[in-house]
Amino acid sequence: QVQLQESGPGLARPSETLSLTCMVSGYSISSGYYWGWIRQPPGEGLEWIGSLHQSGNSYYNPSLKSRVTMSVDTFNNHFSLKLSSVTAADTAVYFCAREWRHYDSGAYLHGRFDPWGQGTLVTVSS
Amino acid sequence: QSALTQPPSASGSLGQSVTISCSGTSSDVGYYKYVSWYQQHPGKAPKLIIYEVNRRPSGVPDRFSGSKSGNTATLTVSGLQVEDEAEYYCSSNVGTNNLMFGGGTKLTVL
Repeated sequence: QVQLQESGPGLARPSETLSLTCMVSGYSISSGYYWGWIRQPPGEGLEWIGSLHQSGNSYYNPSLKSRVTMSVDTFNNHFSLKLSSVTAADTAVYFCAREWRHYDSGAYLHGRFDPWGQGTLVTVSS
Repeated sequence: QSALTQPPSASGSLGQSVTISCSGTSSDVGYYKYVSWYQQHPGKAPKLIIYEVNRRPSGVPDRFSGSKSGNTATLTVSGLQVEDEAEYYCSSNVGTNNLMFGGGTKLTVL
């Protein structure tokens, strides 16, 4: 069964870049699907960050797009997130997930996230 | 851009049914068929319980069902059980390049 596990520093300094990795087991990233990042500030709701296919096709939340970089490493079967110029507002639990997208209306529309990783808390503080 | 609108809380007694709404617009919930629902227990990752408005993943009890009418999607939980107490989130495409979640609904089982 597919499992995902986030990893990375639990603390990021303001104005610096937050970097996280999601290791995938039980499925080869190169075989397909999109792979996404979602975050949840403490006590708040979910926010989609972005999604990436191993082919390089990607979709990003317009409100975060200018600060987000995502990449896929098919050799090591993981994908990564970088979020630049972080502030306290970026403090959140960051989840990675396998994403189902469907070709519809001329684009690959989001279908669902399943399964999810357990999440990792990143605190932005000096 | 505002999240999809969900009631902050909902409640029902053991064995009863409860519905949770997810209100959007004709540009998101009302237009696309890819509405999903997630269940999240405290300190845990969200779990997919409904996708494509009314489809259930394998292993999800048939007590959970989804529907959509106009710009509003609805999650129904029938035969409430203690373990159903959790936060529930809906999601939908917003245009072809964006997706959003609802603000979440805390379900309490009385």
